[in-house]
Amino acid sequence: RKEVEQDPGPFNVPEGATVAFNCTYSNSASQSFFWYRQDCRKEPKLLMSVYSSGNEDGRFTAQLNRASQYISLLIRDSKLSDSATYLCVVNPFNDYKLSFGAGTTVTVRA
Amino acid sequence: EAGVVQSPRYKIIEKKQPVAFWCNPISGHNTLYWYRQNLGQGPELLIRYENEEAVDDSQLPKDRFSAERLKGVDSTLKIQPAELGDSAVYLCASSPTGAAKNIQYFGAGTRLSVL
Repeated sequence: RKEVEQDPGPFNVPEGATVAFNCTYSNSASQSFFWYRQDCRKEPKLLMSVYSSGNEDGRFTAQLNRASQYISLLIRDSKLSDSATYLCVVNPFNDYKLSFGAGTTVTVRA
Repeated sequence: EAGVVQSPRYKIIEKKQPVAFWCNPISGHNTLYWYRQNLGQGPELLIRYENEEAVDDSQLPKDRFSAERLKGVDSTLKIQPAELGDSAVYLCASSPTGAAKNIQYFGAGTRLSVL
């Protein structure tokens, strides 16, 4: 079983729509969680950290469910510029080693 | 402030040839990582440096891959000889020490094609 698993998508949504997707992780003792964004042929960039209580950054909302071992990302009022691959990242031991999912591709159409 | 700088951006070589990638991390970041990202996959760690010391190279295929970070700043990753399966994007990342140590900043990567 992979440490981090994601639905690869793609999620094709119209502008203004809400899109949400999850990722599951295998290590129940994992401490830190992140969402990174990767545009086509570009480097991954930190989108947001995921906190136990859930957190919001503008149109983006991240949730953590420790009991079911998944994290989620919700994008409201989608923009064309939100089209990207979203990488779920887990830091099992709160140290330097990050485990990346394969990514969920989101395409926002006009 | 400059981000993580990598060169070259693209490299096309024939199998069995050597190739090297260079990385300059963000100034002041003591931790440096090399990742490999295959198409449709997330990055996978190859090696991590703390200053000039390789502290985690368990995923580095040591028969053909080598890396160095001689002065604890720039780093070079080498493959010799390259194989067809080495075609991938090689990403360098760096992170600061302290509370933000698990936030990694990536360079644009080197896209390697082995023919």
